[in-house]
Amino acid sequence: IVLTQSPGTLSLSPGERATLSCRTSQTVGNNYLAWYQQKPGQAPRLLIYGTSTRATGIPDRFSGSGSGTDFTLTITRLEPEDFALYYCQQYGTSSSPHSTFGPGTRVNIK
Amino acid sequence: QMTLKESGPTLVKPTQTLTLTCSFSGFSISTPGVGVAWVRQPPGKALEWLTLIYWDDEIRHSSSLKNRLQISTDTSKNHVVLTMTNMDPVDTATYYCARALLYDSRGSYVRAFDIWGQGTVVTVSP
Repeated sequence: IVLTQSPGTLSLSPGERATLSCRTSQTVGNNYLAWYQQKPGQAPRLLIYGTSTRATGIPDRFSGSGSGTDFTLTITRLEPEDFALYYCQQYGTSSSPHSTFGPGTRVNIK
Repeated sequence: QMTLKESGPTLVKPTQTLTLTCSFSGFSISTPGVGVAWVRQPPGKALEWLTLIYWDDEIRHSSSLKNRLQISTDTSKNHVVLTMTNMDPVDTATYYCARALLYDSRGSYVRAFDIWGQGTVVTVSP
């Protein structure tokens, strides 16, 4: 399963809303899609799993939605610490057991 | 507190075999629903999932690398070892291990890598 993320780069100002897209080449069950945040020099951090469930400690300005082949990560009001790289991941289903990551979306300060 | 840490060589020569160890604490890989995955990231590039092993010893490998990968736990089950054969300069990357959580203690599906190690940089060069 191939994941495509758009846009490649998003330039926004603090306080603005960010909408990141992840499209899968095959239908993915809602329980199989996750989102991660990565900052320079750091390991990725899990934000969202099961399409829409926030991981422990993740603020509620982060939300996930979608189904089938189209998924979205929304950050309602960008904080300075939110400018980072974001990856979606499909975990791997019973019929296609290999996990894959998208190429990432970079959220830059405008 | 749950932690993972990768260790191994920082430099390997082409054609050599890479062996990395993921040492973890605060959770058990014998717990149903728990596994450990390896993910790598070449400089400036995206994350690439490599392999994972579950509590029941089920193993999954990336289809593009499956012929070069091995993953195992040691007898104490506090370490997971990744072996990658026939290393090439294109394998230069930061290698991460992460806890792969299939479902949580309540039986709710998670299907994500919820805790990550800091990563270890591996350079492949003559």
